[in-house]
Order: sequence, then structure tokens, then C-alpha cells
Amino acid sequence: GQQVMQIPQYQHVQEGEDFTTYCNSSTTLSNIQWYKQRPGGHPVFLIQLVKSGEVKKQKRLTFQFGEAKKNSSLHITATQTTDVGTYFCAYGAGSYQLTFGKGTKLSVIP
Amino acid sequence: DTGVSQDPRHKITKRGQNVTFRCDPISEHNRLYWYRQTLGQGPEFLTYFQNEAQLEKSRLLSDRFSAERPKGSFSTLEIQRTEQGDSAMYLCASSLAGNSGNTIYFGEGSWLTVV
Repeated sequence: GQQVMQIPQYQHVQEGEDFTTYCNSSTTLSNIQWYKQRPGGHPVFLIQLVKSGEVKKQKRLTFQFGEAKKNSSLHITATQTTDVGTYFCAYGAGSYQLTFGKGTKLSVIP
Repeated sequence: DTGVSQDPRHKITKRGQNVTFRCDPISEHNRLYWYRQTLGQGPEFLTYFQNEAQLEKSRLLSDRFSAERPKGSFSTLEIQRTEQGDSAMYLCASSLAGNSGNTIYFGEGSWLTVV
């Protein structure tokens, strides 16, 4: 079935460095959502993108949806230790279920 | 706390035993979902309820799994004759019909270990 690939699988950054994770699909997506899961925690909704080329910002986080609606990215500027966790993209394929990527695990070295 | 609550948070059971998890969604949410998550993976959809009706079931939901939402409020997920492969975190989530884009709110999960 349709899947999204997330890269990288892991990322280690020094505190203050930037971080980007990518979510790629072979087919057009109607929407993309991003979730953050802290170690030992549960996924927490961050944002949803729906429009082609859409860019949304939340403080140091910038989310983009590609023009072809086949890829998306999450960029964090000047990472902090509070950014540690796994970031998942997910999409809804016309039904009520969400399909998640495998996530990118971010470690921030203080 | 008005979030999604799950019980128990942790369960260790012997292979072959039955287990049941309970989920209480956010009170005004009429949609309820069960997901399963194993280490290093994203959540995988299991099933979905709108009010008391179970409208979608994943093929991951074998006949040993049964989910109910009898009064359209809380839900239970039962696993019969547990196997070691059932070890995972079982996540419940809820959302509100009409919520644009189907944003869902997860509970803290129920960790199952089958020994």
C-alpha cells in the first residue's frame, strides 16, 4: 500500500544547530500531518498541511508541503534539548485512518 | 485532566492469557481509534469507531483482537490468547467529527509485554 518514507532515521545535533527531517511519498497526498513523540511518551499533534506549497511556522519549527504534494519537511532552527524526540509524518488516505512514517529520532547534545 | 486516558498503563502477561485495555476519549469526541506501536516504528492503525459503530478494521486486527465501544463513550480492546508478537504499546486516540483534516489526540498508551 501507499507509504511515506522518512529520512534520516536518526539525527544527532549539537544544541544550537539546525535540524531537518523529510517525508517522501511516491503518490500525491491529500494532506500531511506531523507529530512529535518524546522518549517514553505518546505522539502529539504538531500541525497539518493541506495546500500545495504550503509553509507554516511555529516558533522555531517550519513545516513545508511540496508543490506536487508528494513530500514534506520539518525544519527546526537552533535546536534545544527540549526538541529531543521522534518526529513522525502521517497522512490520511481518504479514510479515517492515519498512516505514519517510521519517524526521525532527534538527539540533541548539550 | 480532559485528555484521552488509558488503563492500565503497563501490563505483563503470560503467553496464552487474555488482556483487556480501556480507553476513555476526550468527552465531546465521537471518533475513537486504536493504534499499535512497536519499538522503532510509527503507530499502526488497528480500528476506528464513530460513536458506537466500528467502521474500519485493519487487517492487522486478527480474530484474537476485539474492540468495542458499547455506548459511544469509552472503548475496550481485548486480546485473546496473547502471543509474544503482541508485545507493543497500544495507543488510543480520539477526534471530533467535523474537525478539519482529522486531527487526532493520542492517549499515553498501554504497554503490553507478553512473556
